[in-house]
Amino acid sequence: NAGVMQNPRHLVRRRGQEARLRCSPMKGHSHVYWYRQLPEEGLKFMVYLQKENIIDESGMPKERFSAEFPKEGPSILRIQQVVRGDSAAYFCASSPLLTDTQYFGPGTRLTVL
Amino acid sequence: KNQVEQSPQSLIILEGKNCTLQCNYTVSPFSNLRWYKQDTGRGPVSLTIMTFSENTKSNGRYTATLDADTKQSSLHITASQLSDSASYICVVSLEYGNKLVFGAGTILRVKS
Repeated sequence: NAGVMQNPRHLVRRRGQEARLRCSPMKGHSHVYWYRQLPEEGLKFMVYLQKENIIDESGMPKERFSAEFPKEGPSILRIQQVVRGDSAAYFCASSPLLTDTQYFGPGTRLTVL
Repeated sequence: KNQVEQSPQSLIILEGKNCTLQCNYTVSPFSNLRWYKQDTGRGPVSLTIMTFSENTKSNGRYTATLDADTKQSSLHITASQLSDSASYICVVSLEYGNKLVFGAGTILRVKS
């Protein structure tokens, strides 16, 4: 059973471009979570999704950021018109049930030039 | 405000020595507390998980304690190894466990 997969592992974008981060949860997991980690800081919750539904997006900026978890395919975190402050590591986690341990992917490191 | 504070911020110890990492939290309502290990450039991996009724949990050389009254937890690492070098993160779950509040982590470096 492969772990949580994230791609790309590293992503470089220029200011104003779009960044698309992908997350494939572990097999059998229907709950996906996205976190952002700035340098020297802890992970910060962004959004929690189940298949085709956003359950909690209280940690996600209202503008430029969006997330989806379609019926088929990976979960996508999209950042439009990136700015330098978006540079961070973005981690995805999945769990089979709401209260189960979350399993983290290796992260995508976004660098905005 | 829900917060998780960890100390020390960083720690250097010699291989074979023991160490203890601290975590204080002000999270309510509390569901459970977890310790994660995060190697450089990788995602966090769960070490232990404790509910409010548990006050100790072991996983090999890792032993976590929880005092729900004082809202403090510790992670004790016995006979440290070079591979223990990582960031150790205290994470507290809110409500039904789906929302996690992360501490900033303690960076541990084990030297030979």
